[in-house]
Amino acid sequence: DTGVSQDPRHKITKRGQNVTFRCDPISEHNRLYWYRQTLGQGPEFLTYFQNEAQLEKSRLLSDRFSAERPKGSFSTLEIQRTEQGDSAMYLCASSLGTIQETQYFGPGTRLLVL
Amino acid sequence: QQQVKQSPQSLIVQKGGISIINCAYENTAFDYFPWYQQFPGKGPALLIAIRPDVSEKKEGRFTISFNKSAKQFSLHIMDSQPGDSATYFCAATPLGGGYQKVTFGTGTKLQVIP
Repeated sequence: DTGVSQDPRHKITKRGQNVTFRCDPISEHNRLYWYRQTLGQGPEFLTYFQNEAQLEKSRLLSDRFSAERPKGSFSTLEIQRTEQGDSAMYLCASSLGTIQETQYFGPGTRLLVL
Repeated sequence: QQQVKQSPQSLIVQKGGISIINCAYENTAFDYFPWYQQFPGKGPALLIAIRPDVSEKKEGRFTISFNKSAKQFSLHIMDSQPGDSATYFCAATPLGGGYQKVTFGTGTKLQVIP
């Protein structure tokens, strides 16, 4: 399977714990995006990487959230001191980096904070 | 602030019927309008997209109609099939800036019954 992969697919944690999610984009894609999707809503943009550079962050991304893409390949999204409101599906997408490009989404990581 | 409004929230259509989902946007900077299809447990997948310089785009059974002056667009699924049962998201993005920050609607859950 050469699509976008995410790990883990599901994560249950207790409030206050830290969690880290990983995204492996399609290999030749230089753009990587993180989105958050809550039940009954569309995905909301969180942040965007062009290669290893984080070029935009949504105001939804509080100080407890940090994302990295150290070598321009895989990316990690870390949430510190999780809160119940962080419970959501976290989606990663990647794209080739051309105008009018297609973003390919991974299956997501579903986070439940108890 | 919801920038892309989508209706209806849910839709039940008989096999062979026409499914119609409507969206409206506010931000005049949007100039690319994709539709995504999402099955349970999967990430969204691009279905069809349109630029505002055309009023209609058709791909197989899927047609987007676009009304730039009204800032509205819609998805028509002809000859709806049970396999079309999924959640559909309209979306909008400005093409300027060199990347696509996608703003999604709230989604329409379509159920096609035999």
